[in-house]
Amino acid sequence: DAGVTQSPTHLIKTRGQQVTLRCSPKSGHDTVSWYQQALGQGPQFIFQYYEEEERQRGNFPDRFSGHQFPNYSSELNVNALLLGDSALYLCASSLYGQAGELFFGEGSRLTVL
Amino acid sequence: GENVEQHPSTLSVQEGDSAVIKCTYSDSASNYFPWYKQELGKRPQLIIDIRSNVGEKKDQRIAVTLNKTAKHFSLHITETQPEDSAVYFCAASMRTGANNLFFGTGTRLTVIP
Repeated sequence: DAGVTQSPTHLIKTRGQQVTLRCSPKSGHDTVSWYQQALGQGPQFIFQYYEEEERQRGNFPDRFSGHQFPNYSSELNVNALLLGDSALYLCASSLYGQAGELFFGEGSRLTVL
Repeated sequence: GENVEQHPSTLSVQEGDSAVIKCTYSDSASNYFPWYKQELGKRPQLIIDIRSNVGEKKDQRIAVTLNKTAKHFSLHITETQPEDSAVYFCAASMRTGANNLFFGTGTRLTVIP
């Protein structure tokens, strides 16, 4: 049973560019959440997708957008990259409305130069 | 929104001693409090969680206590081992189905052999 998978694992971009990160949830899960983890900090909630709709959003600008596909996989897009966007981006999956563990992927480490 | 504070930021203990990490939260509506362990370069992994209708939960060498009145919860690790060395994060959530966790800033635990 595959867990949460993310791609790419590492990437380097320059300021002003755009990036797309991808996530496949754990088998049987229907909800995907994205978190940003800056170096030395705890993860911060970006947004969550369920039934292909954004359900909740954290305190992140509109430059951060996402999508969920019918197979429950998800993408995180960041436009007009800033140096401060450098971080580990974590995807987590779960079952919507169910009490239970949030399963994290290994993350995509983004470096903005 | 919810604000979770975590102390200490670093903690060193001798192997076999106990370690205690404390967190406070601000939103009285939060009712789910997980603890995650993150090893260097790895994804956060759930080690224990507690819900607001329970005051204490134990799993082998790990225990969590919750004081809803004071809005604080703690992680206790007994008989620490070198493999316990990692960064530990507390989190809080209202578990309304959105599953957005608010994380503390982390505690780097080092167990000295």
